[in-house]
Amino acid sequence: DAGVIQSPRHEVTEMGQEVTLRCKPISGHNSLFWYRQTMMRGLELLIYFNNNVPIDDSGMPEDRFSAKMPNASFSTLKIQPSEPRDSAVYFCASSLGIQDTEAFFGQGTRLTVV
Amino acid sequence: GNSVTQMEGPVTLSEEAFLTINCTYTATGYPSLFWYVQYPGEGLQLLLKATKADDKGSNKGFEATYRKETTSFHLEKGSVQVSDSAVYFCALRATGGGNKLTFGTGTQLKVEL
Repeated sequence: DAGVIQSPRHEVTEMGQEVTLRCKPISGHNSLFWYRQTMMRGLELLIYFNNNVPIDDSGMPEDRFSAKMPNASFSTLKIQPSEPRDSAVYFCASSLGIQDTEAFFGQGTRLTVV
Repeated sequence: GNSVTQMEGPVTLSEEAFLTINCTYTATGYPSLFWYVQYPGEGLQLLLKATKADDKGSNKGFEATYRKETTSFHLEKGSVQVSDSAVYFCALRATGGGNKLTFGTGTQLKVEL
């Protein structure tokens, strides 16, 4: 398996534009997580899904952020409109959803909003 | 709620020095505990894990023991190398309540010659 695949790897956009980050989890995994990493706040869980259903979105910063998982092999994180303070590295991770199994992380999307 | 507390970084050591990165947790029930490592420019990778009290996880010379009495999972290595320079994250997955992973803030390790 190729692992968790995120796209794009880098994104530079202007303030006010819509940004969509994409994630393909490992085949067979039924839990998917979106994290944001910044120097100031470290690694923050934004939202996670079990079996394509959002379970906990309490980490989503505000209404400008939305996430979907239309099927078991694809998820998106959308920011609309984007702001400079959204600049960060966004990670997607997936796991088998069993307590003692590890989460596998993608390489991240580095987002810069100017 | 569940939480993980790690020692503040950065930690700077000379090569071959002994490493300890402290991690304590708060959780209900019997969580599974993990250490992840993040090398520059990459995503997080699992380093080791322990799923029940007194278990010892080990990998690449790193070890951590699940201590329920002190709610701790400290990471240790007897002799660090320059290639160990990275950010280390302690994490837990609690029983019940879904499969949410809770991470600590991360500890940056710098190993110098």
